[in-house]
Amino acid sequence: DTEVTQTPKHLVMGMTNKKSLKCEQHMGHRAMYWYKQKAKKPPELMFVYSYEKLSINESVPSRFSPECPNSSLLNLHLHALQPEDSALYLCASSQETGTGDEKLFFGSGTQLSVL
Amino acid sequence: AQSVTQLGSHVSVSEGALVLLRCNYSSSVPPYLFWYVQYPNQGLQLLLKYTTGATLVKGINGFEAEFKKSETSFHLTKPSAHMSDAAEYFCAVRGSYIPTFGRGTSLIVHP
Repeated sequence: DTEVTQTPKHLVMGMTNKKSLKCEQHMGHRAMYWYKQKAKKPPELMFVYSYEKLSINESVPSRFSPECPNSSLLNLHLHALQPEDSALYLCASSQETGTGDEKLFFGSGTQLSVL
Repeated sequence: AQSVTQLGSHVSVSEGALVLLRCNYSSSVPPYLFWYVQYPNQGLQLLLKYTTGATLVKGINGFEAEFKKSETSFHLTKPSAHMSDAAEYFCAVRGSYIPTFGRGTSLIVHP
């Protein structure tokens, strides 16, 4: 199994809603990532988890809250988002992080629209 | 700091023609270089990577790239384009922890 599974595929939420994005991998990878991608732009790193601990937070606003309940799961909790947060949110995993030559495995993403 | 520059936001080719997507890098350390592809409504998929050793790297789907240190380049090529190659292509270079992506090049394939 070389897949990273993300749910839901599409999400529409109001600015006062609370929602969560989910990501799952069963490749035994110990590093997991959240990226944000605007249309026709490269992915922007948000968070990195290594061995279930948050190792990188790229100065992401607190309305985004990541969680790694175990080595296979990664969540992104959303609260009080703004319309400019509308984007494709990608989850990725790799065997390790920090070596520089990691192959990243990406999920298909959650297309988020904030109204 | 490490960075990549992808020349051309769009490249248009006819089916069966040569594909050439350009990438130049800047790195203060020996570079690790990557090409990722993103098909519509999908995540990114690794096409190939260069770390050390042979400078001509072969990847999936018939793509290959050549690392040229003298030119600080890592251009992606494919001898014959297929309609299914239409996608967004991202060049990336090793960053502090993870790859740093270029802005992407959209490959358009005409019948």
